[in-house]
Amino acid sequence: EVQLVESGGGLVEPGGSLRLSCAGSGFIFSNAWMNWVRQAPGKGLEWVGRIKSKPDGATTDYAAPVRGRFTISRDDSRNTVYLQMNSLKTEDTALYYCSTGIDLDLWGRGTLVTVSS
Amino acid sequence: EIVLTQSPATLSVSPGERATLSCRASQSVSTYLAWYQYKPGQAPRLLIYDASNRATGIPARFSGSGSGTDFTLTISSLEPEDFAVYYCQQRSNWPTMYTFGQGTKLEIK
Repeated sequence: EVQLVESGGGLVEPGGSLRLSCAGSGFIFSNAWMNWVRQAPGKGLEWVGRIKSKPDGATTDYAAPVRGRFTISRDDSRNTVYLQMNSLKTEDTALYYCSTGIDLDLWGRGTLVTVSS
Repeated sequence: EIVLTQSPATLSVSPGERATLSCRASQSVSTYLAWYQYKPGQAPRLLIYDASNRATGIPARFSGSGSGTDFTLTISSLEPEDFAVYYCQQRSNWPTMYTFGQGTKLEIK
């Protein structure tokens, strides 16, 4: 079955760090461009960032609100992409999804991150 | 930054009827526009990419049209499972960015 499963969410204090994971299965993970998208409570979808496949350079791009604080990496041996989140703010509270491809054609069900004191 | 504006915010339609959802971009996005279906607790689902191409496994009752700044998602005959929130999304390459509209909630009339 083709699927993505996110994990690692939880409650963290402002200024803290958290690392999310997204495991893929049922497709050739090493060829996939991987994205992170989030949805804050009561809000719409917001793209967070992307990492290209290693054949395409494994370069990363980030949305302005998270640039310099968040880092996306990948471990193709584990079919997993990571989102390292540092200097967290209350406005980073959201359900975080990973998604594949240029057109975000496959999504996981998300993992909830709550930033609160 | 390109802003996507979806209308209406809420659309009430009866099962079996046609639904038409709109998405307007603040500047041209060519045909780099996608539509997604979202239901709480589920993974979002890609419906349409590049403005008018149905994604794998998407029923033919879903269709997309438009280019430049004005786009439409049409659901020809609503099934009970189609009532959800729909988002349009554009992608740009320089700088790399994906932007979503604010969503249209399609509810049962």
